[in-house]
Amino acid sequence: RKEVEQDPGPFNVPEGATVAFNCTYSNSASQSFFWYRQDCRKEPKLLMSVYSSGNEDGRFTAQLNRASQYISLLIRDSKLSDSATYLCVVKYSSYKLIFGSGTRLLVRP
Amino acid sequence: NAGVMQNPRHLVRRRGQEARLRCSPMKGHSHVYWYRQLPEEGLKFMVYLQKENIIDESGMPKERFSAEFPKEGPSILRIQQVVRGDSAAYFCASSSLAGDSGANVLTFGAGSRLTVL
Repeated sequence: RKEVEQDPGPFNVPEGATVAFNCTYSNSASQSFFWYRQDCRKEPKLLMSVYSSGNEDGRFTAQLNRASQYISLLIRDSKLSDSATYLCVVKYSSYKLIFGSGTRLLVRP
Repeated sequence: NAGVMQNPRHLVRRRGQEARLRCSPMKGHSHVYWYRQLPEEGLKFMVYLQKENIIDESGMPKERFSAEFPKEGPSILRIQQVVRGDSAAYFCASSSLAGDSGANVLTFGAGSRLTVL
């Protein structure tokens, strides 16, 4: 079983749609959680951290459920520029970031 | 304020040759991390270095791979006798805080894409 699992997608949605991605992690000792965005053939960039209480940044909302070891990302009012791969990232007990394989999002006009 | 600089951006090698990838951290950052991304996969941790010290190389293959971060100059990831399976994107990241700091935020470079023919 992978340490961080994501649905690879692709999720193909029209502009303006709301889309949600899920991620599960296997290590209950995980301490920090993040969503990164990676454009094709580019480096990953931090989108947002994920906190237990849930957090929002503009059109993006992240949720964490420690009991279920589950993380989610909700994107409202999708834009064409949101097309990218979204990486679920977990950090536990050390400096290593454990990356999921990513969920690909395609936003069409 | 330049970010993390990696070069070369693209490198083509034939099987058996050596590949050297360089990473200059952000100004003021003394912690460097190397990750590898195989096609259609997530990034995998390889090694964590501070100046002149390897802190954790648990993600490095036991053979053919080595990394250094000298007192002066960039960090180097060296792959000897490359094989086709080494073809991947190699990303370097740097941070200003110690790796085990909860507030540690990594900044990634644009990556070096190695193709082994």
